[in-house]
Amino acid sequence: TQLLEQSPQFLSIQEGENLTVYCNSSSVFSSLQWYRQEPGEGPVLLVTVVTGGEVKKLKRLTFQFGDARKDSSLHITAAQPGDTGLYLCALRGAGGTSYGKLTFGQGTILTVHP
Amino acid sequence: ETGVTQTPRHLVMGMTNKKSLKCEQHLGHNAMYWYKQSAKKPLELMFVYNFKEQTENNSVPSRFSPECPNSSHLFLHLHTLQPEDSALYLCASSQDGGLAGFEQFFGPGTRLTVL
Repeated sequence: TQLLEQSPQFLSIQEGENLTVYCNSSSVFSSLQWYRQEPGEGPVLLVTVVTGGEVKKLKRLTFQFGDARKDSSLHITAAQPGDTGLYLCALRGAGGTSYGKLTFGQGTILTVHP
Repeated sequence: ETGVTQTPRHLVMGMTNKKSLKCEQHLGHNAMYWYKQSAKKPLELMFVYNFKEQTENNSVPSRFSPECPNSSHLFLHLHTLQPEDSALYLCASSQDGGLAGFEQFFGPGTRLTVL
């Protein structure tokens, strides 16, 4: 069974600060996704990374996929209150019985104070 | 309606009740999912339907019974639940295919409380 750990679990910062959230897996995965979930809503996809070493940018969000395809990070520059939410990483299995299944991390709850 | 809709949004039931959760996707996708989201656990996959056929049952207790009458609708029938089953139940859909990561579109969830 693939394990996915996210850190930190909770993050409370002031508007304008930078932050990084980490996602680490116990084994290699074929692709990784980052989702954001706001209260009362389901998760919404932010990005999918499929290539080891890949870096993707989405406005103030920068996503990195580790070279060994076992870890990823999400960096937010100049955080805003609208960034508040639960950030989830999800990996898609690389093969065998885990192929195609999404496994989610426990999430990072981010609160950005005005 | 657009995207993925779920009804009801909130449900309170006793342990002896029988109720059903409904999910509908308006995206033309071929796969649908039920997830359970508890306060202290990661999002847990419960069931997967692909082209109306159940392809995954993630060791879910029989008190949860899924039904997928067509590729747009998914139900989760509940009976004799336990208080620990209280959680947010999320439905999702996707268009499977290819080796690249695919996007799952989630509904807003049903907040279930079992008394």
